[in-house]
Amino acid sequence: KAGVTQTPRYLIKTRGQQVTLSCSPISGHRSVSWYQQTPGQGLQFLFEYFSETQRNKGNFPGRFSGRQFSNSRSEMNVSTLELGDSALYLCASRKDRGHPGELFFGEGSRLTVL
Amino acid sequence: DQQVKQNSPSLSVQEGRISILNCDYTNSMFDYFLWYKKYPAEGPTFLISISSIKDKNEDGRFTVFLNKSAKHLSLHIVPSQPGDSAVYFCAASKRMNYGGSQGNLIFGKGTKLSVKP
Repeated sequence: KAGVTQTPRYLIKTRGQQVTLSCSPISGHRSVSWYQQTPGQGLQFLFEYFSETQRNKGNFPGRFSGRQFSNSRSEMNVSTLELGDSALYLCASRKDRGHPGELFFGEGSRLTVL
Repeated sequence: DQQVKQNSPSLSVQEGRISILNCDYTNSMFDYFLWYKKYPAEGPTFLISISSIKDKNEDGRFTVFLNKSAKHLSLHIVPSQPGDSAVYFCAASKRMNYGGSQGNLIFGKGTKLSVKP
């Protein structure tokens, strides 16, 4: 069974640009969450989608947005990039009736903003 | 305000000995606590969890203890092996209005465990 797949794995952008990251969850998983990992802040929750609906949102500015498609694949977008957006962006999926809190993470997309 | 805290950024242990990783939390509304392990260049993987109604959960070499009055939990690894060397994240979840488990976990900043042969 394929795991959570994130693309691209690495990317470099400049300030003011925008970026779109993609996530394909494990087959059968309808919930997808996004996290930002930075050395100073650890993993911080961005948002969660379930059946194309945003279920919950973390404390990030409106420049961070996401969506989920009917096949459960998800994208997140960051507009007007800032240097502080440099981070590892992790996507995770979970089973509908799985163990509480058990997330299956992808390997992440490492974004560098210059 | 950091709701989940791991105060030790790193821990070094000899192979075969016990590793104890600690975690403190501030929110009494958390209903599940989890530990994730992360190797470099990989995403975190779920290790073990404990419900807020229990005080201990064991899975092989890994045991998690929960002290609700102190708002403290710990992960014990016995015996420690070199393959356990990784960053360990403590996480907590809060039951949402719609019920059921949720994908919104609050993580600590992690503790890097090094197990030396």
